[in-house]
Amino acid sequence: QVRLIQSGAEVKKPGASVKVSCKTSGYTFTDYYVHWVRQAPGQGPEWMGWINPNTGFTTYAQHFQGRLTLTRDISISTFYMELARLTSDDTAVYFCARDAEISGVVSPANWGQGSRVSVSS
Amino acid sequence: QSALTQPPSVSGSPGQSVTISCTGGSSDVGNYNYVSWYQQHPDSVPKLIIYDVAKRPSGVPDRFSGSKSGNTASLTISGLRAEDEGDYYCCSYVGSYTLLFGGGTKLTVL
Repeated sequence: QVRLIQSGAEVKKPGASVKVSCKTSGYTFTDYYVHWVRQAPGQGPEWMGWINPNTGFTTYAQHFQGRLTLTRDISISTFYMELARLTSDDTAVYFCARDAEISGVVSPANWGQGSRVSVSS
Repeated sequence: QSALTQPPSVSGSPGQSVTISCTGGSSDVGNYNYVSWYQQHPDSVPKLIIYDVAKRPSGVPDRFSGSKSGNTASLTISGLRAEDEGDYYCCSYVGSYTLLFGGGTKLTVL
């Protein structure tokens, strides 16, 4: 059974950084790309980027260029999302999501439970 | 890039069919067969119900179907049930290995 378990809620001050983890199980870690998606309160999802679990190669939405870093640790089947220079607009639930198909990059399918990040002074 | 365009709300009675549209442009929805649809209930995680325009993941009822014509993708739910009520989002590949979500549609089952 595919599972993606994310780290807990975070409260950050403006200007700080946040790092969210996503531990995977139930499938071959290196077969599937992982996306990160966030959802602000009362808003729709916003795609942030994906990471190739084999090479660590990443692609980011233009909106997050320069502020977002996606990484992975193959040894513990875990992905990480780090977002820098936080503002109140970054208050959202952040999700990791495995793609639907092996080596696919177009269909976030199996989602983590979400990690709430609140940014407030 | 602006979100893909979806109607803010649709409604239907139990047993009826409803269709939700997702309109993009010739460089995204119209250019690739990589549109997915998500169902989200309040305070829940989005659930993939359609991918690659018309494929259904295992476990998704065949009451849910997807299609595309030109720059518009559509999700049709037939035999509407009370548990179908919720928010629906489309998502399309938009080139350069990036994705874009729609603004969302609230489905009300009357």
